Amino acid sequence: QKEVEQDPGPLSVPEGAIVSLNCTYSNSAFQYFMWYRQYSRKGPELLMYTYSSGNKEDGRFTAQVDKSSKYISLFIRDSQPSDSATYLCAMSGVVYNFNKFYFGSGTKLNVKP
Amino acid sequence: GAVVSQHPSRVICKSGTSVKIECRSLDFQATTMFWYRQFPKQSLMLMATSNEGSKATYEQGVEKDKFLINHASLTLSTLTVTSAHPEDSSFYICSVTTGHTGELFFGEGSRLTVL
Repeated sequence: QKEVEQDPGPLSVPEGAIVSLNCTYSNSAFQYFMWYRQYSRKGPELLMYTYSSGNKEDGRFTAQVDKSSKYISLFIRDSQPSDSATYLCAMSGVVYNFNKFYFGSGTKLNVKP
Repeated sequence: GAVVSQHPSRVICKSGTSVKIECRSLDFQATTMFWYRQFPKQSLMLMATSNEGSKATYEQGVEKDKFLINHASLTLSTLTVTSAHPEDSSFYICSVTTGHTGELFFGEGSRLTVL
């Protein structure tokens, strides 16, 4: 079983739609949860960072962490064509001695004008 | 967030030559940097963890003599692909962690093409 599972998509939505991206994980020690956006031929860009459970909102983006279910989500409101990219979830579990982050395989999102 | 600069963004080289990729942390001192490799339409594969002033820790299956990593200062880590071959062609990305917050920031990536 992979540490982190993420549906690779592709996910195609019309402009203005609400997008829901999800990851599940198996290690209950994970405490730090991140979502990255990666455009083609570019490095991943940190979108959202959450510690432990709960919600975090930043503009059109909302990240949710449900540690009891080992499930994290990223919601994108009023999606735009510029949101078309691959979205990676990532997580880690140790504060000062971590040397490895676990990544989902990425979900490719296409927002159609 | 941290700014990570990676250079060059693209490099084309002949088979058998060596290529060096630089990764710089521009706005904070990074004791730990990571090097990843990414194949088309695949996720990130951790190659090694680079610690300032000490030897890098390589992941299983990654050749230490092929992928030389040096972390000579708190702001610079380099990856040298030695005697490159076409199968080494890939997208290489470095990242840094702030340590105390758990956030991980990536460079822009370097696309290596070996002819």
